[in-house]
Amino acid sequence: QQQVKQSPQSLIVQKGGISIINCAYENTAFDYFPWYQQFPGKGPALLIAIRPDVSEKKEGRFTISFNKSAKQFSLHIMDSQPGDSATYFCAASMTGGADGLTFGKGTHLIIQP
Amino acid sequence: EAGVVQSPRYKIIEKKQPVAFWCNPISGHNTLYWYRQNLGQGPELLIRYENEEAVDDSQLPKDRFSAERLKGVDSTLKIQPAELGDSAVYLCASSSPNNEQFFGPGTRLTVL
Repeated sequence: QQQVKQSPQSLIVQKGGISIINCAYENTAFDYFPWYQQFPGKGPALLIAIRPDVSEKKEGRFTISFNKSAKQFSLHIMDSQPGDSATYFCAASMTGGADGLTFGKGTHLIIQP
Repeated sequence: EAGVVQSPRYKIIEKKQPVAFWCNPISGHNTLYWYRQNLGQGPELLIRYENEEAVDDSQLPKDRFSAERLKGVDSTLKIQPAELGDSAVYLCASSSPNNEQFFGPGTRLTVL
């Protein structure tokens, strides 16, 4: 049973454009939703995270939008740059993030110059 | 501040051989996690430690996998004997007091 569904599997965006990655979850007990960025040969790096008491969180060019009723959340990357080319994972956890993370399958993002 | 340290970075073994991975978490992080990441997939939790206690090992294949975290700092994950399907990247993470998880670079295991 896949508890966190991520789409699209791959995405190509022109430099300067907006990259949008979507995730949906099933377990209503999830209360912590982070996004991770992973480059080849590296471990995942925390980008930004949100808790369900807010509908949006912005840090620099990265924004999370959260829809609790729809059990969906998304990552928006504004002014996408070639250096943003990586694999992005959404994740979810219970007990405020103390539990282990349940990850989506990842989105391979390519930013074309 | 130093990040999560893992060793070795790469390991190639033949099936049925034992293998061990080591992790040193970020200083002061009491919670430590081991994940397994198969090629093209997201990481999957194997075990979570609070200090030296394994509080969630429900996803650890206990017939061949074992882990320990003596003194509540460093941790070791062991596989004995390894199978072909164990080829993956093994990631260690530790979490800050606000539960943000930080990952190490991982150990890439190849079982031949």
